[in-house]
Amino acid sequence: GAGVSQSPSNKVTEKGKDVELRCDPISGHTALYWYRQSLGQGLEFLIYFQGNSAPDKSGLPSDRFSAERTGGSVSTLTIQRTQQEDSAVYLCASSLAAQGAQHFGDGTRLSIL
Amino acid sequence: AQSVAQPEDQVNVAEGNPLTVKCTYSVSGNPYLFWYVQYPNRGLQFLLKYITGDNLVKGSYGFEAEFNKSQTSFHLKKPSALVSDSALYFCAVRDQTGANNLFFGTGTRLTVIP
Repeated sequence: GAGVSQSPSNKVTEKGKDVELRCDPISGHTALYWYRQSLGQGLEFLIYFQGNSAPDKSGLPSDRFSAERTGGSVSTLTIQRTQQEDSAVYLCASSLAAQGAQHFGDGTRLSIL
Repeated sequence: AQSVAQPEDQVNVAEGNPLTVKCTYSVSGNPYLFWYVQYPNRGLQFLLKYITGDNLVKGSYGFEAEFNKSQTSFHLKKPSALVSDSALYFCAVRDQTGANNLFFGTGTRLTVIP
């Protein structure tokens, strides 16, 4: 597709369950980012992938959060043992190069009951 | 450390009037600055960026932003507002120390009144 694609668009799950969020970046974009948008918290950086380099995980809020990027393209963000405070919109972005403008997907709205 | 401040949570402007959405930043070194717009239930759309060069940057949908180094500001402007410009606007600065991620302001909700 032409833009960054994220799935699912909405996810409702029970507290304690694991969830996987998917991001398909723009073809050819080497850099991929995950952000979280929460009410009252604004947008916060989670993790960054650049090419084949080791990801920068400095923004992950706890060890329940992990992400991988297979083959330099699709990325999955996994949240284990979800908590209610994990409820947020999770946004993925990609850019052509590390310094390029970031293009965002429409996000996954995660609700933890 | 990098940071961005958007002092106004809400800006209201009449259709056809000029609009300004304010942003100030704090960085060490030269700033890389961005404006994004978010419509309901959508991701962020890139409007414009300042990396270097001309202080007046032109972007999408008739928006422009003025980089002012002495005031550490990067205000977003448009000469004539449209009702369809009503949205949430985010200013951001790029991390220059590691991950190239963006640090975002808290956002300003722009409402253009018909």
